[in-house]
Amino acid sequence: QQPVQSPQAVILREGEDAVINCSSSKALYSVHWYRQKHGEAPIFLMILLKGGEQKGHDKISASFNEKKQQSSLYLTASQLSYSGTYFCGTENYGGSQGNLIFGKGTKLSVKP
Amino acid sequence: DGGITQSPKYLFRKEGQNVTLSCEQNLNHDAMYWYRQDPGQGLRLIYYSQIVNDFQKGDIAEGYSVSREKKESFPLTVTSAQKNPTAFYLCASSPHPPGRNHGYTFGSGTRLTVV
Repeated sequence: QQPVQSPQAVILREGEDAVINCSSSKALYSVHWYRQKHGEAPIFLMILLKGGEQKGHDKISASFNEKKQQSSLYLTASQLSYSGTYFCGTENYGGSQGNLIFGKGTKLSVKP
Repeated sequence: DGGITQSPKYLFRKEGQNVTLSCEQNLNHDAMYWYRQDPGQGLRLIYYSQIVNDFQKGDIAEGYSVSREKKESFPLTVTSAQKNPTAFYLCASSPHPPGRNHGYTFGSGTRLTVV
């Protein structure tokens, strides 16, 4: 039931792009994305609520393919501040409203 | 500023002890959650509450207990029945029902270590 994130880890140089994927075996109502720095609280990035929805936040954007039960997070022209672990959280149809199941995370390291 | 406060930041537990982790929020959120985070495991749900005086078990509730006597507060007790309690514990809150643009707000966490 836990969504699967890929890749598990990625190393970038500043200015490079990355894509993080989140796939579920369950029909999804919504997908959340969070970023966590080591030892800190996860920070909410964005929520996607319906199939095909895309959102953007600075140079970080995401898409939601409801049919494929997956979401992708796009990081464009990465900055050092993008380093951290990215988690997707999924809200399933038939589950308790508002409850999220989180993936294991993707560790992103941006080097100068 | 509104937010969610967890205390203490670090906690040490002896074998056989119960310990309580505090979580307080002033965001007027109805829903509150407790997650456990272990390296490489992501966040796993322990308990959640969507309304005062009501709470539900999550995926890994064994060895834990909670209460929700006030909207602002959702303390977690790690009992002696929890055999492997060393972990990073995160408390979160959100509106309920969830809004279109609202995610979870997390506290800064409590790192619990068994000594």
